[in-house]
Amino acid sequence: TQLLEQSPQFLSIQEGENLTVYCNSSSVFSSLQWYRQEPGEGPVLLVTVVTGGEVKKLKRLTFQFGDARKDSSLHITAAQPGDTGLYLCAGYDGYNFNKFYFGSGTKLNVKP
Amino acid sequence: DAGVTQSPTHLIKTRGQQVTLRCSPKSGHDTVSWYQQALGQGPQFIFQYYEEEERQRGNFPDRFSGHQFPNYSSELNVNALLLGDSALYLCASSVGREAKNIQYFGAGTRLSVL
Repeated sequence: TQLLEQSPQFLSIQEGENLTVYCNSSSVFSSLQWYRQEPGEGPVLLVTVVTGGEVKKLKRLTFQFGDARKDSSLHITAAQPGDTGLYLCAGYDGYNFNKFYFGSGTKLNVKP
Repeated sequence: DAGVTQSPTHLIKTRGQQVTLRCSPKSGHDTVSWYQQALGQGPQFIFQYYEEEERQRGNFPDRFSGHQFPNYSSELNVNALLLGDSALYLCASSVGREAKNIQYFGAGTRLSVL
């Protein structure tokens, strides 16, 4: 079972559209990370959010950490084919186990 | 500067066999974590090695064991392979044993158990 639930599981959109991916949990995390993974590769870190309510922007990507530090969202503006990949959120539980817990991922396909 | 390297890239084994996967961390990194990623799933934490000792462990049976060498490289061993062990095995390295530290992942080893 995954401690972090991501939605949607799959997303297929046209180039130029906007999208939001959600990462939810009933647990509180010390911080949360977002990764992108392409076929045949390991996950690559996009951002780390630490403070409840924090918003970080990375070009066309906007990341938000929920006020209660249980959830997060990733919003992509004007998606491009290069954004295609598996987006993973990972929560760091610094209170109990000092481990990372990954969500099940959102597979994004951006069609030209 | 080489990133995290894993070998082999692909491996095919049969049920009951044993397998050893290898990982060389990014230069300057002293901590190695191993993850199992089943098809269509996110990575699941197996264990973490720091200073040649297993420091944290996820919910994996004792068939999964590991080792870290003085040069910080690491091995993952899986005994008595089951069909369900088929997955992508990822190695991640970081500086220090704090899980909050940035992890860099290798491309993984794809294990198929027949």
